[in-house]
Amino acid sequence: AQKVTQAQTEISVVEKEDVTLDCVYETRDTTYYLFWYKQPPSGELVFLIRRNSFDEQNEISGRYSWNFQKSTSSFNFTITASQVVDSAVYFCALSEAPPNTGNQFYFGTGTSLTVIP
Amino acid sequence: ETGVTQTPRHLVMGMTNKKSLKCEQHLGHNAMYWYKQSAKKPLELMFVYSLEERVENNSVPSRFSPECPNSSHLFLHLHTLQPEDSALYLCASSQGASNSGANVLTFGAGSRLTVL
Repeated sequence: AQKVTQAQTEISVVEKEDVTLDCVYETRDTTYYLFWYKQPPSGELVFLIRRNSFDEQNEISGRYSWNFQKSTSSFNFTITASQVVDSAVYFCALSEAPPNTGNQFYFGTGTSLTVIP
Repeated sequence: ETGVTQTPRHLVMGMTNKKSLKCEQHLGHNAMYWYKQSAKKPLELMFVYSLEERVENNSVPSRFSPECPNSSHLFLHLHTLQPEDSALYLCASSQGASNSGANVLTFGAGSRLTVL
């Protein structure tokens, strides 16, 4: 079963619109971490945020905000007043650290965001 | 410039060729990773090295052979590849033990491999 689901394959918005990227995860661990990464056309994945499973407080960083809800196993990402530079593929990821097996990272399939000027 | 450098950025090879991908990290991290990114698929973890020892090998075919001579360098040796191996190969590094779920991965820009 897929651990991280990003149901939105592609999204297009007009500049200055708000957009929310959905992420649903699945885990049986009580301790886990959730991440968002941005992959611009240049290729490298850029780290945006990490949350641990014990901190459900929503976070805002400039135009970016994240909504973590354990009740629905979701970790959604909202970009406010989108800009052309936000065009990229965004990946949600789950990291588990079960004892004696080493770190396990699971990435979603990504959401390709296009911001139209 | 990213703290993780991958070369070459693009590689085209025939199925009988032998080539290598190189990754170098300048961040002082002690864990390095190879991921495969194919279209419409999640990133696939291939190999993990922690303190220069391989700690993860996710059932990767033997035609992919990793090498980690020191904590700053990671190679992926390629031999007798198949067209379905064409993908973007991403290197990443992290600080701390590879069994810590809190690791933040720092990625390189990737090597785009095409197998003819």
